[in-house]
Amino acid sequence: SQKIEQNSEALNIQEGKTATLTCNYTNYSPAYLQWYRQDPGRGPVFLLLIRENEKEKRKERLKVTFDTTLKQSLFHITASQPADSATYLCGYGNNRLAFGKGNQVVVIP
Amino acid sequence: NAGVTQTPKFRVLKTGQSMTLLCAQDMNHEYMYWYRQDPGMGLRLIHYSVGEGTTAKGEVPDGYNVSRLKKQNFLLGLESAAPSQTSVYFCASSLLSGANVLTFGAGSRLTVL
Repeated sequence: SQKIEQNSEALNIQEGKTATLTCNYTNYSPAYLQWYRQDPGRGPVFLLLIRENEKEKRKERLKVTFDTTLKQSLFHITASQPADSATYLCGYGNNRLAFGKGNQVVVIP
Repeated sequence: NAGVTQTPKFRVLKTGQSMTLLCAQDMNHEYMYWYRQDPGMGLRLIHYSVGEGTTAKGEVPDGYNVSRLKKQNFLLGLESAAPSQTSVYFCASSLLSGANVLTFGAGSRLTVL
């Protein structure tokens, strides 16, 4: 069965530094991966999508990489700000999107 | 555009009671989904629909039923609520399959006593 893993431990990071989150998947070769942000008490919000033939995708201070050999996607927040504090979810699939458990990021001023 | 609207936002049930969660989207999306989110478990897919009049089981369908009589609405029903169904429920929709970006609702927090 499809399995997607994110480190469930919170990542505490100093403001201005780069936060890096990891998403690993097994038993499946997704054509793309998606990253979402979720704030407490709210639904997830889409951030970025990266396809298997793309090595890297950027959006403002966000960067996502996709390594099909390692079966891994990395999500980077550069020049992190306290407003970036949230839980970040990795998802993949076709018509049935499966998600990892999410990674909480806490940016310390 | 309201996007995806879920009602109710909060509900408390007693074991054995029934209820229906309503999800409405105004984006003309074909696909709709119901997920539940529990601490330490992440988002898990309950049921989904690939179009009006269709439904399919997800990862954790037991104890739930769904209906998609109209394209814009996706209903999630609990016939006999159990404490294990205490959770936050999220509805989502997407335009198509493939690289389908999901738009989520704000969630419905259900407590079963």
